[in-house]
Amino acid sequence: NAGVTQTPKFQVLKTGQSMTLQCAQDMNHEYMSWYRQDPGMGLRLIHYSVGAGITDQGEVPNGYNVSRSTTEDFPLRLLSAAPSQTSVYFCASSHPAGTELTDTQYFGPGTRLTVL
Amino acid sequence: AQSVTQLDSHVSVSEGTPVLLRCNYSSSYSPSLFWYVQHPNKGLQLLLKYTSAATLVKGINGFEAEFKKSETSFHLTKPSAHMSDAAEYFCVVRVNTDKLIFGTGTRLQVFP
Repeated sequence: NAGVTQTPKFQVLKTGQSMTLQCAQDMNHEYMSWYRQDPGMGLRLIHYSVGAGITDQGEVPNGYNVSRSTTEDFPLRLLSAAPSQTSVYFCASSHPAGTELTDTQYFGPGTRLTVL
Repeated sequence: AQSVTQLDSHVSVSEGTPVLLRCNYSSSYSPSLFWYVQHPNKGLQLLLKYTSAATLVKGINGFEAEFKKSETSFHLTKPSAHMSDAAEYFCVVRVNTDKLIFGTGTRLQVFP
């Protein structure tokens, strides 16, 4: 199993550009989520999905869109990038929400995004 | 509202000495608490979790944590630090069935 994969590893954008961060998992996990990590702030939940076709907002959803058309993939879209979105982005997945299995989240290696 | 507070942003220890990383929680009911570890340029990995069973929880790599309701604490300890323990550690609380709230992290440095 590859686990949770994220692409790209690094990205530099100009203000106003759009892009999609890719996330895929091959563990048949129902629950997937996106976090951003900023210095001194820990990880903050952006969006999450409890299964294909179902998404919901986390703590800091503004400026980001997600969709979940398959169990395996959970892309994160930035429609108009802003310098405040410079961060490291982590995708995570786990077994079904609503069970203790959700507690063990498997994280991808991260995408380091810089918006100029 | 549920939250966690990590009391130290940085901790430095010498190899072979004990490690203590402090975490206090705020919760209106019995919480589920976790410690995750992040090695440099890596994703996060679950170290251990407390879910209302035994108050002393053992995790991977010799780490353990004790849930103390009277002190609202869930401190992470290890008897003897190893160079490979150098990483960032996050205390985490489960807010509801779907969401985890992360603390701000403690960076552990281990000196030879």
